[in-house]
Amino acid sequence: KNQVEQSPQSLIILEGKNCTLQCNYTVSPFSNLRWYKQDTGRGPVSLTIMTFSENTKSNGRYTATLDADTKQSSLHITASQLSDSASYICVVTNQAGTALIFGKGTTLSVSS
Amino acid sequence: DAGVIQSPRHEVTEMGQEVTLRCKPISGHDYLFWYRQTMMRGLELLIYFNNNVPIDDSGMPEDRFSAKMPNASFSTLKIQPSEPRDSAVYFCASSLPWTSGLTGELFFGEGSRLTVL
Repeated sequence: KNQVEQSPQSLIILEGKNCTLQCNYTVSPFSNLRWYKQDTGRGPVSLTIMTFSENTKSNGRYTATLDADTKQSSLHITASQLSDSASYICVVTNQAGTALIFGKGTTLSVSS
Repeated sequence: DAGVIQSPRHEVTEMGQEVTLRCKPISGHDYLFWYRQTMMRGLELLIYFNNNVPIDDSGMPEDRFSAKMPNASFSTLKIQPSEPRDSAVYFCASSLPWTSGLTGELFFGEGSRLTVL
């Protein structure tokens, strides 16, 4: 069964610190992997999208990495800000393009 | 573009009542998706349309749920009769062909928070 597992479920860090969120998937083969940020009470917004041949993709202070061999992706946030407090969702598209498989997300809280 | 527009943003209703959620996708996007989000299950795909035609409705939980897309700029998700377990946030999203890398990016609306008492 195609699954996307994210860890940790929740995370609290101090403003200015770095953090890394993990995404493990069993979708194989796959077309692309995406990371979304969802602020409380809002819809998810895309951060990065990577095809199976890409290893890393950056968007400002957000850097996503992908290891297709181990079926793992990570999202690294550098110099966190209060506005980074949100849920981060990993999504994998299967190769056939018939399904988007969502992880349940990691809730990040950045405190001052 | 104003993005994906959903209404209402909040709906509180009593069990047994009919609920209709509405969505206007981004102009030019030929894919439209309805998702349900709960704390326990995360985001779940209910149904998606391509060029106004329902392609996959296997996520629709039961016959009480129905969705229509009468034209390229409007879709509805209807629950009749509603039950307390339907309480969730319902998201609409639209995209160009969604296997096309960046061009297949999903754009979500702000969601409709449904509470069934």
